[in-house]
Amino acid sequence: TQLLEQSPQFLSIQEGENLTVYCNSSSVFSSLQWYRQEPGEGPVLLVTVVTGGEVKKLKRLTFQFGDARKDSSLHITAAQPGDTGLYLCAGNLKNSGGSNYKLTFGKGTLLTVNP
Amino acid sequence: DTAVSQTPKYLVTQMGNDKSIKCEQNLGHDTMYWYKQDSKKFLKIMFSYNNKELIINETVPNRFSPKSPDKAHLNLHINSLELGDSAVYFCASSSLAGTGRFYGYTFGSGTRLTVV
Repeated sequence: TQLLEQSPQFLSIQEGENLTVYCNSSSVFSSLQWYRQEPGEGPVLLVTVVTGGEVKKLKRLTFQFGDARKDSSLHITAAQPGDTGLYLCAGNLKNSGGSNYKLTFGKGTLLTVNP
Repeated sequence: DTAVSQTPKYLVTQMGNDKSIKCEQNLGHDTMYWYKQDSKKFLKIMFSYNNKELIINETVPNRFSPKSPDKAHLNLHINSLELGDSAVYFCASSSLAGTGRFYGYTFGSGTRLTVV
């Protein structure tokens, strides 16, 4: 079973549109991160959220952590072709004991923004 | 300066061979990881070392053996390579912030292993 479910799996939109990507779980996380991965490169950390209900903004990207710390969303306003990439959510399970640095990843959302 | 560097970037080898991938980080982080990304882009943890001590060892065939000579280096040796080992292998590192909280990984750019 997949611990973190991301949706949608694929998303193709036109430049200027808005979009939201979701990351859901039945488990509680101490923290949750969003990464973006471009072809041939490793994932790059965009944001970390740690407090239930927390909202963080990074230019046109808005990240929200659910009140119960089981889910998160990423909203992009006025998407641009440069936003194209694989968006991954990853969680650090609460009470994971000795493996408290371990991240569990979702399967990703592949976003394509067409000019 | 590259923060987390892996070598080689590409590795093509025959079944049955033994190969190694090297990773180095210059961030001063105390924890390093190996992740495997399959053809569907799913990232799964394999191993983690904290200050040269193995702290995470997931269900990985014992043909895979990590080695951390110091906290800035983590290598991965694979014996008797199989077709199913073909994937992209990522090294990553992390450290706790001044608050003592974990804030995520810095990844290398990956090693694409192709077993033929």
